[in-house]
Amino acid sequence: KAGVTQTPRYLIKTRGQQVTLSCSPISGHRSVSWYQQTPGQGLQFLFEYFSETQRNKGNFPGRFSGRQFSNSRSEMNVSTLELGDSALYLCASSLGGGYRSYEQYFGPGTRLTVT
Amino acid sequence: LAKTTQPISMDSYEGQEVNITCSHNNIATNDYITWYQQFPSQGPRFIIQGYKTKVTNEVASLFIPADRKSSTLSLPRVSLSDTAVYYCLVGGDNYGQNFVFGPGTRLSVLP
Repeated sequence: KAGVTQTPRYLIKTRGQQVTLSCSPISGHRSVSWYQQTPGQGLQFLFEYFSETQRNKGNFPGRFSGRQFSNSRSEMNVSTLELGDSALYLCASSLGGGYRSYEQYFGPGTRLTVT
Repeated sequence: LAKTTQPISMDSYEGQEVNITCSHNNIATNDYITWYQQFPSQGPRFIIQGYKTKVTNEVASLFIPADRKSSTLSLPRVSLSDTAVYYCLVGGDNYGQNFVFGPGTRLSVLP
């Protein structure tokens, strides 16, 4: 079974631009979560989608948004990029939906650099 | 959401058994305890999950006492490749739940 894939793997953007990152979960997984990881703040939860609905959201400004499609693939968008948005963005998929196990499977991440 | 506390760092030598303890005093009845391993510039990798007593798989064991207020990840005979950050998470598949990763435990395995 293929793992979680994220595209692109690396991205360089300029302040003020916007960016869209993509995540394809493991086949059969309906929950997709997004995380931001920086050396200073560690792993921070952005939001989680389940069956095309945002189920939960972390403490990030409205510039960070996401969506999930009917095939469970997810995208996240960051508008008006700031230097502090430079980070590794990780996507994780899980079965979700009330299964006893909430083990998440992470993708390799997208390394975003804002200049 | 149950908050977790782990040691920031630990050192060990190859071949030794390593035990990393996580405290989660406010764990809820429906919460599971899950451990992840992360190498630099990679996403975390699921290691093991448990609810109570002891769980063992091919890479680790997880010990959970009866009160479930703590848990211990046990890595038998560590090697240099086990050098990584280990995160303890407490939670379950409940609607509206954030998944908060603490700073984790940075394990350094020395030759």
